[in-house]
Amino acid sequence: SQQGEEDPQALSIQEGENATMNCSYKTSINNLQWYRQNSGRGLVHLILIRSNEREKHSGRLRVTLDTSKKSSSLLITASRAADTASYFCATAPGTSYDKVIFGPGTSLSVIP
Amino acid sequence: GAGVSQSPSNKVTEKGKDVELRCDPISGHTALYWYRQSLGQGLEFLIYFQGNSAPDKSGLPSDRFSAERTGGSVSTLTIQRTQQEDSAVYLCASSFWLAGGLGTQYFGPGTRLTVL
Repeated sequence: SQQGEEDPQALSIQEGENATMNCSYKTSINNLQWYRQNSGRGLVHLILIRSNEREKHSGRLRVTLDTSKKSSSLLITASRAADTASYFCATAPGTSYDKVIFGPGTSLSVIP
Repeated sequence: GAGVSQSPSNKVTEKGKDVELRCDPISGHTALYWYRQSLGQGLEFLIYFQGNSAPDKSGLPSDRFSAERTGGSVSTLTIQRTQQEDSAVYLCASSFWLAGGLGTQYFGPGTRLTVL
């Protein structure tokens, strides 16, 4: 698998349900970030979790990080139609900030 | 400005022509990144600047691609002798440099490049 690989590739849920997306990576990291992209243009930063953190919350978002498994999950609770977007995780191996790796993303569709 | 800006927003060119894409980062952001995104795909990292220098240019797809940044601000990505496979959205992002890891990136709206 690739560094920063998300799964599932696509997810379709009903409004009000929770959505969970996963990200796996291969090398050691200092932090991991999640981004959202609407309409194939600019990405918006959602949340950053540091390697010494296990869980972080921001509004309806909950991110977990398991460095032993080199994986992270993004949970969106009580989803809304406006959450329909592609979600990407991003990492930079170790201190190599010049090798930013984004996964292929999870396409989330929230059906009203 | 308030955010990262990129110009042009759309560029249609003929195969073999050179194109120049511009990125204006957020004022004060020392780090600047260029990415390429093909339709329905993830982001492909191209190059990173810390100030005016790019420590590693190996992410650029070929020697037809070059990038520079002057004055620690505006950056240009130049593609020479464009090919059809260069068609994609080119995204720029900037961030503060974070000593402990990758900084939060703020993205521009992108330039959609179409090579005919």
